[in-house]
Amino acid sequence: DAGITQSPRHKVTETGTPVTLRCHQTENHRYMYWYRQDPGHGLRLIHYSYGVKDTDKGEVSDGYSVSRSKTEDFLLTLESATSSQTSVYFCAISRGAGNTIYFGEGSWLTVV
Amino acid sequence: GNSVTQMEGPVTLSEEAFLTINCTYTATGYPSLFWYVQYPGEGLQLLLKATKADDKGSNKGFEATYRKETTSFHLEKGSVQVSDSAVYFCALSTSNAGGTSYGKLTFGQGTILTVHP
Repeated sequence: DAGITQSPRHKVTETGTPVTLRCHQTENHRYMYWYRQDPGHGLRLIHYSYGVKDTDKGEVSDGYSVSRSKTEDFLLTLESATSSQTSVYFCAISRGAGNTIYFGEGSWLTVV
Repeated sequence: GNSVTQMEGPVTLSEEAFLTINCTYTATGYPSLFWYVQYPGEGLQLLLKATKADDKGSNKGFEATYRKETTSFHLEKGSVQVSDSAVYFCALSTSNAGGTSYGKLTFGQGTILTVHP
């Protein structure tokens, strides 16, 4: 168990509503990531963080924002959810570049 | 940009059969290569990795060799078990011009493996 907790694990929300997913780690790892998993696409990077208040965009960042005010927490926000954001979202952590990346158990989000 | 292509699935095998899942990549520079496995309802777990050409990663009977000349990292196992049924992802990570990658991974689309008794 890599010490990663994602919440909520399952959520159904309506189009146009804001949604925040939380990733909490107990490992004190520097790097944190948000990926989404969709059939036929594998996992795609949404945003990542390389330290407190240090974040950057991944390949599919449109419609998402993130914040990292503490080492242990990395929040992913959908400002106005759309059906195309229905997906499984995975948080991941790493001690540093070149180190193993550990994944959380995922958050299933359905936008209706 | 970076990309990873895996063989189309799903793959269905009988127990004790030989497994190959093909993976090829396109990358700038010299990537590190990974295989991750995802069991039903769970997150991804690192299965094995290789960080330079000709390296062989191995774990739990699975092997993959980093082939720079063919830009490939095929996953193999000599005798699969029912418990190997899962989704397998090939992935790569590269460094940017400053020598840091932040560990960002580029994944293939995943291959579903089902092993029957």
